[in-house]
Amino acid sequence: AQKVTQAQTEISVVEKEDVTLDCVYETRDTTYYLFWYKQPPSGELVFLIRRNSFDEQNEISGRYSWNFQKSTSSFNFTITASQVVDSAVYFCALSEAQGRGSTLGRLYFGRGTQLTVWP
Amino acid sequence: GAGVSQSPRYKVTKRGQDVALRCDPISGHVSLYWYRQALGQGPEFLTYFNYEAQQDKSGLPNDRFSAERPEGSISTLTIQRTEQRDSAMYRCASSLGSGQALYEQYFGPGTRLTVT
Repeated sequence: AQKVTQAQTEISVVEKEDVTLDCVYETRDTTYYLFWYKQPPSGELVFLIRRNSFDEQNEISGRYSWNFQKSTSSFNFTITASQVVDSAVYFCALSEAQGRGSTLGRLYFGRGTQLTVWP
Repeated sequence: GAGVSQSPRYKVTKRGQDVALRCDPISGHVSLYWYRQALGQGPEFLTYFNYEAQQDKSGLPNDRFSAERPEGSISTLTIQRTEQRDSAMYRCASSLGSGQALYEQYFGPGTRLTVT
């Protein structure tokens, strides 16, 4: 079973629109970490954020914000006032910290959401 | 300081040839991970080293794939008798490997492997 599900394969918006990328995860560990990475057309993986399972505070960084809800096992990512440079594939990932048969630090990635922002 | 480096950045090889992909982690990083990313997919775990010890190779797809990290620094992922289905981006990541830092993985630029 997929540990991380990103149901949205592709999203297209027009510049200045807000957009939310969904991420649902599955784990039996009580301690875990959630991540978002950006993969621009150049192909590198750019780290955006890491949250641990004990910190459900939402976080805002400039135009980016993240909504972590343990009750629904979701860690959604919102870009406010999107820009063309935000066009990329965005990956959500999970790392389980209790190592039940899993290498500590190993990342489980979702399949990614391709975001296209049109001018 | 220098980030994770990988070489070559691009590799085109013919089916049946062996290839070796190199990863040079950040200095001092004891944990090293290899991932494979097929087109249109997220990266998938291949193997993990703690110092020179390969502690998890459960993600290696078959015995044509092997990895080593003999001195606890540079790692090599080797694919023998390559097949077209091996075509993918191969990514390496490293971390300090203890405490919270275990979960701060830094990724290299990847090696794009194409098997013709």
